[in-house]
This record gives sequence, structure tokens and C-alpha cells, in this order.
Amino acid sequence: GEDVEQSLFLSVREGDSSVINCTYTDSSSTYLYWYKQEPGAGLQLLTYIFSNMDMKQDQRLTVLLNKKDKHLSLRIADTQTGDSAIYFCAESSYNTDKLIFGTGTRLQVFP
Amino acid sequence: EPEVTQTPSHQVTQMGQEVILRCVPISNHLYFYWYRQILGQKVEFLVSFYNNEISEKSEIFDDQFSVERPDGSNFTLKIRSTKLEDSAMYFCASWGQGSSTDTQYFGPGTRLTVL
Repeated sequence: GEDVEQSLFLSVREGDSSVINCTYTDSSSTYLYWYKQEPGAGLQLLTYIFSNMDMKQDQRLTVLLNKKDKHLSLRIADTQTGDSAIYFCAESSYNTDKLIFGTGTRLQVFP
Repeated sequence: EPEVTQTPSHQVTQMGQEVILRCVPISNHLYFYWYRQILGQKVEFLVSFYNNEISEKSEIFDDQFSVERPDGSNFTLKIRSTKLEDSAMYFCASWGQGSSTDTQYFGPGTRLTVL
């Protein structure tokens, strides 16, 4: 079945860039998403990319998609302490609208 | 900005009891979903609902689970006889066809604790 994997933890210094990586197995993925979850809160959509795109930039966020390797990354420029959260990668495919989520990457930003 | 809301934020129940988790999706959305997240694990799809019927469900969504849209605004998840392993955070989501963002908007979740 479909699977989405992420590294569990990332620690960065404030002001540096963060790169969170994700791999997926479903070759029929149509959309790939990044969600942010702050403690005790729900899942907030950060950005998404359609599978025929290589890159998408949205302010401090840059999403890179390597469809051949089924690898997705989220780069956060000038990381701030408010960016500390769990970041989930998710994908959906053409024949279903359910989202398949990764394990989540806990980003810790230290001063 | 419109948002998905869920009540209660935390529900504690005894094993074997029935629980109903409530969600108010975004008002013009047509597709509704439930997901759950057991502590420390992935967010898992449970069920999707469209046009007053289930459109897809996962293996987790067995006969103990049911969903309903009893009126024009609420979307509920019922667990008939809760088990310890049903303890999780339950997220409701909704999606509007033709919306500018092709994705699901999530509520804040209900934490269900089964004792």
C-alpha cells in the first residue's frame, strides 16, 4: 500500500534554513502537501504542490519535488522560534481524495 | 477566515460506552472526512463522506464506527462500544469542490481517552 516516510526530528538555530524531507511510494500521487501541527492544535495547511511541478515557492517556504525519486522537501528560510512544530508530509492520488500522512518531523528551533 | 470546528476538545469515556464526536465543517464544503492520530503515530484516514453517504472507508472503520450528517451543518462520528485502542486524537476535515485550494481543511481535533 501507499507509504509516506519522514525523519522524526530536526533541530536548527534561529535564522538558519530548515529542510524537512519526505519520501513516498505511490507513483500515482497527484498532490503533495505540507501541514504544520503546533502543540494541542489541529493540522494547518502550509503549502501544496501538484505532481507535475518541480518547485513551488511561497514566501519563506520552498517545496521541491523529485518525482523520479519520489522525494519531497520543505525548506523554511530564516527559521523562527514560532516555526517550532511538527511538520507532516501528505499525499493524495488521482483515484481517491483520502490523504496519506507521513510520521511527522518535529522541528525544534533554538536561539 | 472560515474554519472547521470540533466538539468536545477532550472526551473521557469508559470502555464499552458510546461516544459521539461532533464537527462543523466549513459551510459551503461538500466533502467531509474523519482521521485519527494515536499518540506518537501517523495521522490515519478513517472515512470520507459525500452526498449523504460514505464514499470511502479504511480497514479501521469497522462496524463499531458510523458517520452522519444529521442536519445541514454538523458531521458526527459515533463509536458504538469504545475500546482502549480507540484512544486517539480524532480530526475532522472538509473540502469544497472548486475551492481555490485543492485540499482538506482540518479542525483542531477531539482527544478521546478510553479508560
